[in-house]
Amino acid sequence: GESVGLHLPTLSVQEGDNSIINCAYSNSASDYFIWYKQESGKGPQFIIDIRSNMDKRQGQRVTVLLNKTVKHLSLQIAATQPGDSAVYFCAENIRGYSTLTFGKGTMLLVSP
Amino acid sequence: DSGVTQTPKHLITATGQRVTLRCSPRSGDLSVYWYQQSLDQGLQFLIQYYNGEERAKGNILERFSAQQFPDLHSELNLSSLELGDSALYFCASSQPGARATNEKLFFGSGTQLSVL
Repeated sequence: GESVGLHLPTLSVQEGDNSIINCAYSNSASDYFIWYKQESGKGPQFIIDIRSNMDKRQGQRVTVLLNKTVKHLSLQIAATQPGDSAVYFCAENIRGYSTLTFGKGTMLLVSP
Repeated sequence: DSGVTQTPKHLITATGQRVTLRCSPRSGDLSVYWYQQSLDQGLQFLIQYYNGEERAKGNILERFSAQQFPDLHSELNLSSLELGDSALYFCASSQPGARATNEKLFFGSGTQLSVL
């Protein structure tokens, strides 16, 4: 499959561990955030989103935390599985704009 | 399966040529977005169409153009191709009635363009 980046930050974890992927954003006018997962050879797949009026949102095995004070977003994956290995992107929507701006991505490698 | 269909999956062509990438959005989605993904630039927004009209423009070169047809499918035309245009091109669509902001995008599987 295609590589989505040769110089991505990489997080290596063992199966069963919890993973935390971080993202910093710079625009204080951003009010909606999404985490996407991209597996090799596939398009980005929606994982979870959060609006700026929230600090935390939970999904199935995933939690997103938003710290607006320091403009920081994190994705926590519980009990990481080999199938979670992928590149993870955070994306932000700036208030008043209809498009998403993507971060550079983090590669998650899960060892059995 | 996101419901967004892109064709072709792979395209190999030569410098100076022109190609057309096609996208069918999810049923009922009115907005279509085009993104370019390269190794050094990540996912870059190119252009958005909403119900047939251009809505937003990003870092799209003048050699590139797009349109959205009455049946809501979209085409991205790339002309006078250069080696640096080699990349993955993704189409995405957003939820029905997404004229507003704050809508998640659903991505197709992409077209891998190789310019030789």
